Amino acid sequence: DAGVIQSPRHEVTEMGQEVTLRCKPISGHDYLFWYRQTMMRGLELLIYFNNNVPIDDSGMPEDRFSAKMPNASFSTLKIQPSEPRDSAVYFCASTMSNQPQHFGDGTRLSIL
Amino acid sequence: EDKVVQSPLSLVVHEGDTVTLNCSYEVTNFRSLLWYKQEKKAPTFLFMLTSSGIEKKSGRLSSILDKKELFSILNITATQTGDSAIYLCAVDGGSNYKLTFGKGTLLTVNP
Repeated sequence: DAGVIQSPRHEVTEMGQEVTLRCKPISGHDYLFWYRQTMMRGLELLIYFNNNVPIDDSGMPEDRFSAKMPNASFSTLKIQPSEPRDSAVYFCASTMSNQPQHFGDGTRLSIL
Repeated sequence: EDKVVQSPLSLVVHEGDTVTLNCSYEVTNFRSLLWYKQEKKAPTFLFMLTSSGIEKKSGRLSSILDKKELFSILNITATQTGDSAIYLCAVDGGSNYKLTFGKGTLLTVNP
């Protein structure tokens, strides 16, 4: 079975540019989570969806961050405009009832 | 707000040693506690614990939960260099399978 698939694996861009991260959850999973991981703050939940509907976006740091899930097999996390402090590894994870979350390999984002 | 505290933050051992990693938590409505191993990429699932006192075991790794004292331990016996990783503890506070993670324990196993 294919796991959670994220793209791109690495992204380097200049401050002020728009960044779009992509995630394909495991087929049949109805929950999708976006996390950010840094050395200082560890793994933080940004937003999560259930059946494509955003449930809790209280972890989204600012209005510059937005996320969508147009269908059960695709989600995006967008940062516009990007800033150097957004540099981190962004993970997507998916799950279904009473199962552990499965993580993608992450996107390593560097904002110069 | 749910809270997870792991200790130690880092640990260096020699191959063959046994290690114990700790995880304490505060959660409003506990459903489960999970352990993950993170090497260079994605956290990979190790154990999910829901009941007190029942040990879960996989090879040299084992884990147990104490719901009265609100903690869990992860044991690794006869450590190998391949066990070097960050070990993450997370709790499911009963809200849509949302997890709260601890900061992790960085384990380094030297040959």
